[in-house]
Amino acid sequence: QVQLQESGPGLVKPSRTLSLTCAVSGDSIRSNNWWSWVRQPPGKGLEWIGEIYHSGSTNYNPSLKSRVTISVDNSKNQFSLKLTSVTAADTAVYYCARNDYGDSRFDYWGQGTLVTVSS
Amino acid sequence: QSALTQPASVSGSPGQSITISCTGTSRDVGSYHLVSWYQHHPGKAPKLMIYEGSKRPSGVSNRFSGSKSGNTASLTISGLQAEDEADYYCCSYAGSSTVFGGGTKLTVL
Repeated sequence: QVQLQESGPGLVKPSRTLSLTCAVSGDSIRSNNWWSWVRQPPGKGLEWIGEIYHSGSTNYNPSLKSRVTISVDNSKNQFSLKLTSVTAADTAVYYCARNDYGDSRFDYWGQGTLVTVSS
Repeated sequence: QSALTQPASVSGSPGQSITISCTGTSRDVGSYHLVSWYQHHPGKAPKLMIYEGSKRPSGVSNRFSGSKSGNTASLTISGLQAEDEADYYCCSYAGSSTVFGGGTKLTVL
């Protein structure tokens, strides 16, 4: 059974960098899938942030591209998200998910982690 | 890229059928057969219900069905049950990118 688990600080100060990690179990991060980040601000819908392939290839949401970096650690079977210069608008539940074959088919998700941007 | 357009809310009584629409553009829904649908209960992870427009993952009830015509995809839930009450999101591949719909709140009356 594939499982994903997000981890990272639940509180980040404005203008700082948000950093999260997603640990994958039950599947190799080297499999033919893309590994993604999705977020949901309070009271709003889902927003795709971006994704990475085990080779290091990435795709990002154009609206966030200037502030986002997604990286992969094949040896630890995990991938990470960094979002710079955060504001209150970046407060959200952040999910990591497996994008099956890169077809925008998110078949396994983490439980999500709430990140609040506040001083 | 703009979010796909979904109705904010739909409702139906137990046993009835409802349909949720998802309108995109020729850059996403209209160009690819890669529309997926997710059921999201508050506090839980979203669950994949439909992929490639009309396919159901193993374990998803056949009461859920999907279709697409032009730039619009649709999710139909037949035989509504109380546990179907949730938020539903459509999602489309958009060429090295992904876009979600704004979400639809389904209320089972």
